Amino acid sequence: DVQLVESGGGLIQPGGSLRLSCTASEISVSNNYMNWVRQAPGKGLEWVSVIYSGYIHYADSVKGRFTISRDNSKNTLYLQMNSLRAEDTAVYYCARAKNYPFYFDYWGQGTLVTVSS
Amino acid sequence: DIVMTQSPLSLPVTPGEPASISCRSSQSLLHRNGNNYLDWYLQKPGQSPQVVIYLGSNRASGVPDRFSGSGSGTDFTLKISRVEAEDVGVYYCMQTLEVPLTFGGGTKVEIK
Repeated sequence: DVQLVESGGGLIQPGGSLRLSCTASEISVSNNYMNWVRQAPGKGLEWVSVIYSGYIHYADSVKGRFTISRDNSKNTLYLQMNSLRAEDTAVYYCARAKNYPFYFDYWGQGTLVTVSS
Repeated sequence: DIVMTQSPLSLPVTPGEPASISCRSSQSLLHRNGNNYLDWYLQKPGQSPQVVIYLGSNRASGVPDRFSGSGSGTDFTLKISRVEAEDVGVYYCMQTLEVPLTFGGGTKVEIK
């Protein structure tokens, strides 16, 4: 079965950095559109970023602070988050879209990031 | 950015009765290839979201046929022909025409 397992969340002070990981099984992160989607506590869904080959895009709210990447040898997707703000507090999900046009057919269980002093 | 607006915010439903959710986009989601770049997701309580409908009207794998998606351009509708208890949760529409991808605010479906 396809699995996406996120890790790396936790409590971090404003201005700090954190790196999230999403390890995939039964699918390859290298030949799928891999995304990060977040959900603030009690709020709706917000798309964050996508990576596929040289195709990389970010939401305006994280541009310049977050970096998406992948390690094909580890079949793992990453989200490096710098200059964290209180408004970045959310559950972060990784999600797979097989091709364009996108729809996310596989999601991880999410990892909670809390930005607070 | 394309703004997605859903209504209603909350939808109490009676099991066995139909339900309908509306989603409007700030610009047309109709691609020149004839497809509408609009997906619907359901997030059940305590779970990750799951796709229900993609490209406006295509049911995702394993989705019961009581779910249907319709609409074109800027106005879309998700219909449940006969609501079952397992359908409760928050439904989101999402446009995939252009980045940044954007979601609607969500519609909470609950049993009366």
